[in-house]
Amino acid sequence: EDQVTQSPEALRLQEGESSSLNCSYTVSGLRGLFWYRQDPGKGPEFLFTLYSAGEEKEKERLKATLTKKESFLHITAPKPEDSATYLCAVQEPSGGYQKVTFGTGTKLQVIP
Amino acid sequence: NAGVTQTPKFQVLKTGQSMTLQCAQDMNHNSMYWYRQDPGMGLRLIYYSASEGTTDKGEVPNGYNVSRLNKREFSLRLESAAPSQTSVYFCASSETGFGGYTFGSGTRLTVV
Repeated sequence: EDQVTQSPEALRLQEGESSSLNCSYTVSGLRGLFWYRQDPGKGPEFLFTLYSAGEEKEKERLKATLTKKESFLHITAPKPEDSATYLCAVQEPSGGYQKVTFGTGTKLQVIP
Repeated sequence: NAGVTQTPKFQVLKTGQSMTLQCAQDMNHNSMYWYRQDPGMGLRLIYYSASEGTTDKGEVPNGYNVSRLNKREFSLRLESAAPSQTSVYFCASSETGFGGYTFGSGTRLTVV
């Protein structure tokens, strides 16, 4: 069964304290791995797409990396406004459809 | 630039009542999706429309129907609401079905 597992479920950081979120996946044929940010009461906001092992993407204090079995979202010197739930999703072909499976997210809290 | 607009934002239904959730996108995207998000579970696909004129079942379609009214609009109908359909519903769109999605802000539905 295809799975996407995110860890930790929740993470509390001091402002400026760097850390990483993990997304491990088991799918038959990865077409893409996505990271989203979700604020309370809002829809997920697309951050990055990674397509192949070794690929990296950066945006401000966030950097996403990909291996054959997992992805990391590195947060460097986080600020309180980085507090949100971060979702990982993987895309694979499934018949005529590009199936997307979401993880349950990591809830990040950055304390001033 | 509105992106993906969902209405209503909140709704309370009694068991057995029906309602339609509306979704419209202004990005000229071909593919549209309906997801539900429940605590402790990842986003789960209810129905999708790969292009105007087509709709297909996702992971959890029972109890729902959809209509792709035109390229912009994709509605989700609950014919006879059940408490198990209490959830937050998100509409999303993508240009081709590959890559990241643009999500709406969600509809919080409670069935009592």
